[in-house]
Amino acid sequence: SYVLTQPPSVSVAPGETARITCGGNNIGSKSVHWYQQKPGQAPVLVISYDSDRPSGIPERFSGSNSGNTATLTISRVEAGDEADYSCQVWDSSSDHWVFGGGTKLTVL
Amino acid sequence: VQLVESGGGLIQPGGSLRLSCAASGFSVSSSYMNWVRQAPGEGLEWVSVIYSGGSTYYADSVKGRFTISRDNSKNTLYLQMNSLKAEDTAMFYCARSVVVAGPFPFWGQGTLVTVSS
Repeated sequence: SYVLTQPPSVSVAPGETARITCGGNNIGSKSVHWYQQKPGQAPVLVISYDSDRPSGIPERFSGSNSGNTATLTISRVEAGDEADYSCQVWDSSSDHWVFGGGTKLTVL
Repeated sequence: VQLVESGGGLIQPGGSLRLSCAASGFSVSSSYMNWVRQAPGEGLEWVSVIYSGGSTYYADSVKGRFTISRDNSKNTLYLQMNSLKAEDTAMFYCARSVVVAGPFPFWGQGTLVTVSS
């Protein structure tokens, strides 16, 4: 089965840039979606199809995907960005959705 | 668009439970409806999907024990869970995708299932 690997945690100071990676075999050939989840809340879609930003998501959120790594980039990080971030892909070989293990973003 | 889950609770190992997800603002019959769970302190785990055409798919961890279905007249999604195990303890979310293999822009608030004796 397809596996997505994320770092457990990323820390960044306010105003800096956070980069959260999602590794998978030839993930660049798949569409990657990213979710933000704050404690006690349901996930929120922040990036779809590698780099599309849904309505209402700040321009500070961006995404890229190439080779074996997809990356969620959050520019000018704010305290309110502190959350868990998870990547997601569709594994067409098994008709299964796959989520990464999630990355906890800490704003120092 | 609103999704409201219900049916969670405390259940003994080996027991059964049926979760419901009442939808409003759209039709479940024309959407791709998913169940996603999250064990305490863990990441998201996709559980099952039902396509607009009725096809269903399951994660290996629940295949043969869980059944996804929908009632178009009630605009409601269901997850029948049998032979429950302690490791099924999780918050269960329903989530909607508008296209096949598309992202999940819409989520419910979840219903908690605890499997324990």
